[in-house]
Amino acid sequence: GQSLEQPSEVTAVEGAIVQINCTYQTSGFYGLSWYQQHDGGAPTFLSYNGLDGLEETGRFSSFLSRSDSYGYLLLQELQMKDSASYFCAAPERYSSASKIIFGSGTRLSIRP
Amino acid sequence: DTEVTQTPKHLVMGMTNKKSLKCEQHMGHRAMYWYKQKAKKPPELMFVYSYEKLSINESVPSRFSPECPNSSLLNLHLHALQPEDSALYLCASSQGSIPQNIQYFGAGTRLSVL
Repeated sequence: GQSLEQPSEVTAVEGAIVQINCTYQTSGFYGLSWYQQHDGGAPTFLSYNGLDGLEETGRFSSFLSRSDSYGYLLLQELQMKDSASYFCAAPERYSSASKIIFGSGTRLSIRP
Repeated sequence: DTEVTQTPKHLVMGMTNKKSLKCEQHMGHRAMYWYKQKAKKPPELMFVYSYEKLSINESVPSRFSPECPNSSLLNLHLHALQPEDSALYLCASSQGSIPQNIQYFGAGTRLSVL
């Protein structure tokens, strides 16, 4: 099985940069995904890292280091609408299906 | 179209009621999922259907009964629920393939059990 740990809360200022970390322990690892969930909303997929290094998608970037069992989500030019919960997640394979394991989640609050 | 539609959005039920949650996707995804989410917690997997067959049951109590009538539809039948079952119930779908297994979520059904 897998477990993924994140800080529970992070606060940042509008326009700034924030990094949300995720450390994992796994018996089988394929890669790391990130999901965003606004209060009252559905989780939405942000990014996936299958290989070590940085993936960039607009203001969001995600990083993975397999040797350190560590990844992070980097949000730049923060906007108030970025206030949400962010989950790292890792896929697990079963004989006839696959699932994803979610991290504990980080609640990001943006201050003006 | 990357939409997963869930109905109803809100549901209030007594402990003796029987109700059903519905989920629909038209993305041709082969895998569909039910999750339960409590406030300030991550989604907790309940069931996985792959090619319309129940593939994973995360030891969910029998008062929750999933059903997959066809490749686009997923139901969750509820019976004799407890107040602690009050939560947001999320449906998701995906291609089901490793490694990414990107999941698309519906907006959820907010369930209150009285």
